Amino acid sequence: TQLLEQSPQFLSIQEGENLTVYCNSSSVFSSLQWYRQEPGEGPVLLVTVVTGGEVKKLKRLTFQFGDARKDSSLHITAAQPGDTGLYLCAGDIGTGRRALTFGSGTRLQVQP
Amino acid sequence: NAGVTQTPKFRILKIGQSMTLQCTQDMNHNYMYWYRQDPGMGLKLIYYSVGAGITDKGEVPNGYNVSRSTTEDFPLRLELAAPSQTSVYFCASSYGVAGASEQFFGPGTRLTVL
Repeated sequence: TQLLEQSPQFLSIQEGENLTVYCNSSSVFSSLQWYRQEPGEGPVLLVTVVTGGEVKKLKRLTFQFGDARKDSSLHITAAQPGDTGLYLCAGDIGTGRRALTFGSGTRLQVQP
Repeated sequence: NAGVTQTPKFRILKIGQSMTLQCTQDMNHNYMYWYRQDPGMGLKLIYYSVGAGITDKGEVPNGYNVSRSTTEDFPLRLELAAPSQTSVYFCASSYGVAGASEQFFGPGTRLTVL
């Protein structure tokens, strides 16, 4: 059972297009993080959201945390080839383990 | 600071062999984690540690063991390697509890079991 569902699993778009990636769960997150991973490397943190309804912007990336803290989205405006990578959401779903649960990831390819 | 370092980068094992994946961090982080990542998938937690001498199981601990004798080191031991353990293994560390703090990842160890 996948506790964190990410969609889509794979996305191939042209440079300049906009896109949205979703991360959903039936559980409530106390906090949620988005990471980006490039081939052959470990994930790197993009953002942490902790408050329901919170919106954070990182240049062309906009992150939103759902009001009920069960879902999150990542929106990229005017995608560039440098945005190519695997995007992972990870959350603390209060299982008692002091560790994160990761989603299965969205692989984004931006064609020049 | 080197951050999180992992050795080796690549390894091929035969079924039934054993090995230890090394992980060291120089950021004085209390929390350390081991994940595995299968092709095209996210990360699954194997074991984690909240400080020297304290370890706990994650989602997929079977076939693995860990120890944490120092703050810096968190080795992962594979006993009796099986083809199902073919994966990329990532070690990570964080200053505070996961979710509230950024996790810093090593470059990974790519393991193939034949």
